[in-house]
Amino acid sequence: ETGVTQTPRHLVMGMTNKKSLKCEQHLGHNAMYWYKQSAKKPLELMFVYNFKEQTENNSVPSRFSPECPNSSHLFLHLHTLQPEDSALYLCAAGDPGASETQYFGPGTRLLVL
Amino acid sequence: EDQVTQSPEALRLQEGESSSLNCSYTVSGLRGLFWYRQDPGKGPEFLFTLYSAGEEKEKERLKATLTKKESFLHITAPKPEDSATYLCAVQAHYGGSQGNLIFGKGTKLSVKP
Repeated sequence: ETGVTQTPRHLVMGMTNKKSLKCEQHLGHNAMYWYKQSAKKPLELMFVYNFKEQTENNSVPSRFSPECPNSSHLFLHLHTLQPEDSALYLCAAGDPGASETQYFGPGTRLLVL
Repeated sequence: EDQVTQSPEALRLQEGESSSLNCSYTVSGLRGLFWYRQDPGKGPEFLFTLYSAGEEKEKERLKATLTKKESFLHITAPKPEDSATYLCAVQAHYGGSQGNLIFGKGTKLSVKP
């Protein structure tokens, strides 16, 4: 399998649920990213991991908790979300300092009821 | 503050009708400007990276150009399969967002047969 994969592709959860989003990259890049994409808004950077270390937390609420166990896998743990958290969550992989290009996965469409 | 403005928000073309999409940017030292294509319900697909004013890149019916203040994505003789949202992003050398991609809201292109 090539590129960046994300699971699940669709997720519906209640505000009291706990769920996790998974991202896996097969590109050999050192950095991984979580973005949130809402209607009519630009992509919002949430977290950056570089060589498994978190280098950016863009003032994201604590109900979103990232985890990067190795340079190929990235998780986003979700708990007690709000309806306004409904969005497309995108994972990307890239090589800061090299080509700089980020390659995106297909996203997880999240609906919070 | 680094920012990206894309225009128009939406563009409807007839098949074969050439046009251009605009991306205006303000950034503390441009490190790179990126164009992505995004189909509904999918992640952004990388198209081009431009690094310096005067640079041009082409791919099939698409041609991206860069000046010190803006970039254009020219679409020549578009086909219905070119219908998508086109995203522009910049990466800065300096400042609080250094190294991160800052996205515009995108231009939604519809090409009618």
